[in-house]
Amino acid sequence: AQSVTQLDSHVSVSEGTPVLLRCNYSSSYSPSLFWYVQHPNKGLQLLLKYTSAATLVKGINGFEAEFKKSETSFHLTKPSAHMSDAAEYFCVVSDRGRTDKLIFGTGTRLQVFP
Amino acid sequence: KAGVTQTPRYLIKTRGQQVTLSCSPISGHRSVSWYQQTPGQGLQFLFEYFSETQRNKGNFPGRFSGRQFSNSRSEMNVSTLELGDSALYLCASSLGGSGSPETQYFGPGTRLLVL
Repeated sequence: AQSVTQLDSHVSVSEGTPVLLRCNYSSSYSPSLFWYVQHPNKGLQLLLKYTSAATLVKGINGFEAEFKKSETSFHLTKPSAHMSDAAEYFCVVSDRGRTDKLIFGTGTRLQVFP
Repeated sequence: KAGVTQTPRYLIKTRGQQVTLSCSPISGHRSVSWYQQTPGQGLQFLFEYFSETQRNKGNFPGRFSGRQFSNSRSEMNVSTLELGDSALYLCASSLGGSGSPETQYFGPGTRLLVL
């Protein structure tokens, strides 16, 4: 079965410093992976999506993620954090087959200090 | 293009009652999925509809049901509400039908409180 593990429940950074949110996946086939962000009292917004076209995926708001098959990882990074990046981030894998079912990680809460 | 809309946004019910939540997908989208989000269990898949047919179902009791109409709008119903059903219910839509995972767009959610 497909699954994702987010290695940190909370990450705190200072504004202007790099962001690293870690995610490992488990899949018996080549997975489709996503990062979604959820701001307080808001729905989920797609940051980026990997579907095997390129291992380095660029998303919105300066975020990017690198698919590393050898490490079964899909970590999310941003060179310089902004206060508006403070939110909950979810690493997500798509279930196998003819379905849109998404399997979510437990989330990482990102705090950004001035 | 308008995004995914969900109504109502907030709802308070008592145990034993039933509730119906509504989701209108992005125009042209034919797939609608529902998720439950709670602090303890996180985000869990409820079910997915495509062209009025349930295409996939999560591990929830039969009290949770859904349907999709010919215009792709979807409703989910929870009968005999329990305290543990208090959650944020999120709806997502996608074009659907391509056979490969597509980008899903989420609505703002309906926050249900069961007293």
